[in-house]
Amino acid sequence: ETGVTQSPTHLIKTRGQQVTLRCSSQSGHNTVSWYQQALGQGPQFIFQYYREEENGRGNFPPRFSGLQFPNYSSELNVNALELDDSALYLCASSPRVQTGGNNSPLHFGNGTRLTVT
Amino acid sequence: QKEVEQNSGPLSVPEGAIASLNCTYSDRGSQSFFWYRQYSGKSPELIMFIYSNGDKEDGRFTAQLNKASQYVSLLIRDSQPSDSATYLCAVIGLSGTYKYIFGTGTRLKVLA
Repeated sequence: ETGVTQSPTHLIKTRGQQVTLRCSSQSGHNTVSWYQQALGQGPQFIFQYYREEENGRGNFPPRFSGLQFPNYSSELNVNALELDDSALYLCASSPRVQTGGNNSPLHFGNGTRLTVT
Repeated sequence: QKEVEQNSGPLSVPEGAIASLNCTYSDRGSQSFFWYRQYSGKSPELIMFIYSNGDKEDGRFTAQLNKASQYVSLLIRDSQPSDSATYLCAVIGLSGTYKYIFGTGTRLKVLA
């Protein structure tokens, strides 16, 4: 069973630039979520993708956008980078998340550490 | 009020003792509850999940859920120095946004 893989592991960008982070979901999982984790904080939900469509979004501006591909892999794009975007970006996959009832745990990749200077 | 609250710690316990980590949540309709362990600089890894009121045991770990009081806890028996990490509580509710809401985590230090 292949786990969640993310690339790159580390990235340094300059304020105002754009960045693309990539994620391959765990085999058998069709839902991908992205989280931002600032130092000393818990992960914050950015958005979730299911069947190549955004399926829920947290409190992040439109310059955070994403894609999901037919093989369930996903990208997170961030435009016009700001210093506060420096964080660990986590991709997590899961089987389909249902409203109500019991939901399966998220399985996280190793994350991408983004530093904006 | 934060949606999921945890004491940030650090919680220090001697090796071999029981560590008790607590989490409260605000959405009374929450259905699924998770505990993750996160070592410094690493990504969260799942420890346990619990859906029903009561206790759920897995090895040295026991998760306890009380929906009426809106809290979930994690007990770690026979704590080891390797258990030293930040423990994140996560909740998913009925709000329909499909998001897992994390607390800020409790840092646990097991003293050898």
